[in-house]
Amino acid sequence: EVQLVESGGGLVQPGRSLRLSCAASGFTFDDYAMHWVRQAPGKGLEWVSGISWNSDSIAYADSVKGRFTISRDNAKTSLYLQMNSLRTEDTAFYYCARGTKGELIRPFEYWGQGTLLTVSS
Amino acid sequence: QSALTQPASVSGSLGQSITISCTGTSSDVGNYNLVSWYQQHPGKAPKFMIFEVSKRPSGVSNRFSGSKSGNTASLTISGLQAEDEADYHCCSYAGSSTPNWVFGGGTKLTVL
Repeated sequence: EVQLVESGGGLVQPGRSLRLSCAASGFTFDDYAMHWVRQAPGKGLEWVSGISWNSDSIAYADSVKGRFTISRDNAKTSLYLQMNSLRTEDTAFYYCARGTKGELIRPFEYWGQGTLLTVSS
Repeated sequence: QSALTQPASVSGSLGQSITISCTGTSSDVGNYNLVSWYQQHPGKAPKFMIFEVSKRPSGVSNRFSGSKSGNTASLTISGLQAEDEADYHCCSYAGSSTPNWVFGGGTKLTVL
């Protein structure tokens, strides 16, 4: 059974940093692209960042480019999102999602339950 | 404001059919057959329902179908059931320039 478990969310002040993690199991992690998708409370989904199976292709939404860094550790079957210079508008549930194959062009087949990040003073 | 435009809400009676539209541009929906749809119940993670415009993942009911014409994609649910009441999000690949993927604002389906 595919499982994606996010962690690392919480309350943080504007301008501070935080790192989200996603522990994956139930599939061959290094065969698949992985993504972060967020959802502000009561709002729609927003793609944040994606990373191909071998980390050769990485992409970011304009809203986070230069502030967020996605990475993966295939040996630890884990996905990460380092978030710096956090803003109040980054407040959202952050979902880890697996692609259907290894490239960024594949849609999001499995999703974690999400972790809530609240950016507030 | 979301990149793709969906109606905020739709409703239908048990057993009826409904269609949710998703309008993008020639840079996303109109340029790629890479539209996907996700169902989301309150407090839950999204569920993968349709990919590549009209394909269903294993396990998804054939009551769900997708189509596309020009810059507009559509999700049709036939034989509405109570458990179909949820939010539905469309998504399209938008190319290798950022953002790679764009979502609609989501549509709340109410089953009467």
